[in-house]
Amino acid sequence: DAGVTQSPTHLIKTRGQQVTLRCSPKSGHDTVSWYQQALGQGPQFIFQYYEEEERQRGNFPDRFSGHQFPNYSSELNVNALLLGDSALYLCASSPAGQNEKLFFGSGTQLSVL
Amino acid sequence: GENVEQHPSTLSVQEGDSAVIKCTYSDSASNYFPWYKQELGKGPQLIIDIRSNVGEKKDQRIAVTLNKTAKHFSLHITETQPEDSAVYFCAASSGGGATNKLIFGTGTLLAVQP
Repeated sequence: DAGVTQSPTHLIKTRGQQVTLRCSPKSGHDTVSWYQQALGQGPQFIFQYYEEEERQRGNFPDRFSGHQFPNYSSELNVNALLLGDSALYLCASSPAGQNEKLFFGSGTQLSVL
Repeated sequence: GENVEQHPSTLSVQEGDSAVIKCTYSDSASNYFPWYKQELGKGPQLIIDIRSNVGEKKDQRIAVTLNKTAKHFSLHITETQPEDSAVYFCAASSGGGATNKLIFGTGTLLAVQP
């Protein structure tokens, strides 16, 4: 049983560019959450998707957007990248009815130069 | 606002000793408290969790205790082994209802010396 998979594993972008990160949830999971983890910090909640809709959003600007597809996979898009967006972006999936129980992927390390 | 404080930030123990990590949360509505282990280059891995209707939970060498009145919860690792070395994060649920996001602590770097 494959766990949560994320792609790409590493990404380098320049300031002002746009980026799309992808996530496939664990089999049987229907909810996907995205977190940002800065170096030396705990993960910070960006948003959660369920039934292809954004169900809750953390304290992140509108430059951060997402999407969930019918197969439960998800994308995170970040526009107008800033240097401060450099971080590890983590996707987590949750089983039906337990949306707080998170199973994380290995993340995408984004570097903005 | 919602906040989870975690202490200590670093912890060094000898192999075989016990390790304790403590967290305090601010949201009285929090009812789910997981602990995650993160190894270098990997995502956080859920190692144990507890719900607010339980005061203690144990899984082999790992145990978690919860004091809802004081808004404290702790992770206890007994008979530590070098492979326990990692960063540990506590978290508390927030938001309630249909959507529960997790608020994470700032992490504890545990080093188990052989």
